[in-house]
Amino acid sequence: EVQLVQSGAEVKKAGESLKISCKGSGYSFPTFWIGWVRQMPGKGLEWMGIIYPGDSDTRYSPSFQGQVTISADKSISTAYLQWSSLKASDTAMYYCARGLRYCNTTSCSGYNWFDPWGQGTLVTVSS
Amino acid sequence: DIVMTQSPDSLAVSLGERATINCKSSQTVLYSSNNKNYLAWYQQKPGQPPKLLISWASTRESGVPDRFSGSGSGADFTLTISSLQAADVAVYYCQQYYSTPTFGQGTRVEIK
Repeated sequence: EVQLVQSGAEVKKAGESLKISCKGSGYSFPTFWIGWVRQMPGKGLEWMGIIYPGDSDTRYSPSFQGQVTISADKSISTAYLQWSSLKASDTAMYYCARGLRYCNTTSCSGYNWFDPWGQGTLVTVSS
Repeated sequence: DIVMTQSPDSLAVSLGERATINCKSSQTVLYSSNNKNYLAWYQQKPGQPPKLLISWASTRESGVPDRFSGSGSGADFTLTISSLQAADVAVYYCQQYYSTPTFGQGTRVEIK
């Protein structure tokens, strides 16, 4: 069974750093993208960025570029999302998800859709 | 970025009746080279992560009940639940993957 298991809920103060994790199992972790999606309380889904663990190719949404860092360690099938200095506005549920992409024998097109999703990590930041 | 706009924001449907959700993109998500629409639909039940229902605008994922169907092409898409069940109460999102991924704002489906 393909599964993504995220680290547990975090309660932090503004200005602190944080790194949350997402461990994949049941598939070849290096050969699928892992995306991160934010869901603020009572709101919709926002794509933050994505990483290809095989070569650490990383792309960010302009809205999140410079605000977070996405990384991965393919040796332990784990992707990470980290902040160097949290803000109260970072309070949200964060999901990782396996990114699927259409590729034929010669090239890939478009970007990723997501399946499955991790259970989510709730990050609460107090000011 | 491609902007995805869903309508309505919420709808209440009687059990066994049809529910229809629309999704419009600010530009086409149809790739002319392969004639595929780069659009997915997700279901998010309360307290759960999103679940992929449909990719390529109309391809139902394995295990998804056949009362769910996707249609449309270019910039206009529809998710239809043919006979609403209590288990379908959720928020539904469309997402384009033609370019950097963007989601619609979500449509909440409730029982009337």
